[in-house]
Amino acid sequence: AQSVTQPDIHITVSEGASLELRCNYSYGATPYLFWYVQSPGQGLQLLLKYFSGDTLVQGIKGFEAEFKRSQSSFNLRKPSVHWSDAAEYFCAVDYTGTASKLTFGTGTRLQVTL
Amino acid sequence: EPEVTQTPSHQVTQMGQEVILRCVPISNHLYFYWYRQILGQKVEFLVSFYNNEISEKSEIFDDQFSVERPDGSNFTLKIRSTKLEDSAMYFCALKRESSYNEQFFGPGTRLTVL
Repeated sequence: AQSVTQPDIHITVSEGASLELRCNYSYGATPYLFWYVQSPGQGLQLLLKYFSGDTLVQGIKGFEAEFKRSQSSFNLRKPSVHWSDAAEYFCAVDYTGTASKLTFGTGTRLQVTL
Repeated sequence: EPEVTQTPSHQVTQMGQEVILRCVPISNHLYFYWYRQILGQKVEFLVSFYNNEISEKSEIFDDQFSVERPDGSNFTLKIRSTKLEDSAMYFCALKRESSYNEQFFGPGTRLTVL
């Protein structure tokens, strides 16, 4: 079955430290890949997406993600975390290629300590 | 400026009652989706809607669920006879014709079934 795995349920980092959130998807033709962020009481905001081309994609708020086909991964990174980055982060995959639905991971809750 | 709003933000209902959740697009969208997130679990796809008909639905979307766009603007999700396990956060998502594969999510409606 098509699935998305985010192995880290909860991560705590210090402000200014680097961050990497992991995401793996089940094997198949290269899907369309997304990272969303959810702040408390807010909807899901798109951080970045990968469809094709350059495997390192840049997103909003200083985030980037790298697609690695050999590892079926799409990890999210940020070189220096800010306290305002504390939120829940979801990796999502469109296996259909037709924007008919997204398959989400279970999410990673990021806590930032000052 | 949000692409979409949802009403109500929180709905409490008794088991067996009908509820209608509303999604209000801010600008012109053609593709509509409902997702839900049971507390502590992943975001799950329910249904996609295009050109006034369902284009895809998940196993979760059984006969107690229905969607429509009655006035050509609001997009609604109806649950006919709510169960305790319907308690979740329900997200509406929209996609413009021009934004390939990018879905804009609303802030969600928290449904509590007692």
